[in-house]
Amino acid sequence: DVKVTQSSRYLVKRTGEKVFLECVQDMDHENMFWYRQDPGLGLRLIYFSYDVKMKEKGDIPEGYSVSREKKERFSLILESASTNQTSMYLCASSPHGAYGYTFGSGTRLTVV
Amino acid sequence: KNEVEQSPQNLTAQEGEFITINCSYSVGISALHWLQQHPGGGIVSLFMLSSGKKKHGRLIATINIQEKHSSLHITASHPRDSAVYICAVNSGGSNYKLTFGKGTLLTVNP
Repeated sequence: DVKVTQSSRYLVKRTGEKVFLECVQDMDHENMFWYRQDPGLGLRLIYFSYDVKMKEKGDIPEGYSVSREKKERFSLILESASTNQTSMYLCASSPHGAYGYTFGSGTRLTVV
Repeated sequence: KNEVEQSPQNLTAQEGEFITINCSYSVGISALHWLQQHPGGGIVSLFMLSSGKKKHGRLIATINIQEKHSSLHITASHPRDSAVYICAVNSGGSNYKLTFGKGTLLTVNP
């Protein structure tokens, strides 16, 4: 069964901490995405990557960075976590030139 | 105005009812997606459409490109269908960017 795996289901971090959210896919997909989901706002794109070491900003990149050193792994980094980054974070992947997306189970991050 | 609008926002039904969720969009699209999210869970892709109609079990998705409108139908609804249903579109020929509707919360009571 093809999968997008997010390393943590729930995470609690303190304000100012550096936070790493990891996402791994086993489908050899070129494209990987990080979204955040908030009540009343829906899903918003933070960053995406279309190849190893390639990245592009999405709609809300401020306060976040990403890393894609290997094709299967896409990491989201919160350089200095803040309470307004408390949210559900979802990773997704898709093959190049195609429209099918596979989503991970999400990481619910709480920053206190 | 959002590029993708869903209606209704909330829907409560009795088990066995026929359910329709609507999605309207204002941009040219290359594909439209229907997604399902159970409470506290990840997102599952139900359908991807660029024209016509698709059916999977009790779920049917239709799209009218001229009217920029899609519907998701659930026949013989069941409590396990309770979830948030999200419409999303790929616009401008891009398979990078999905624009999402805000979702429809469906509750099916036994």
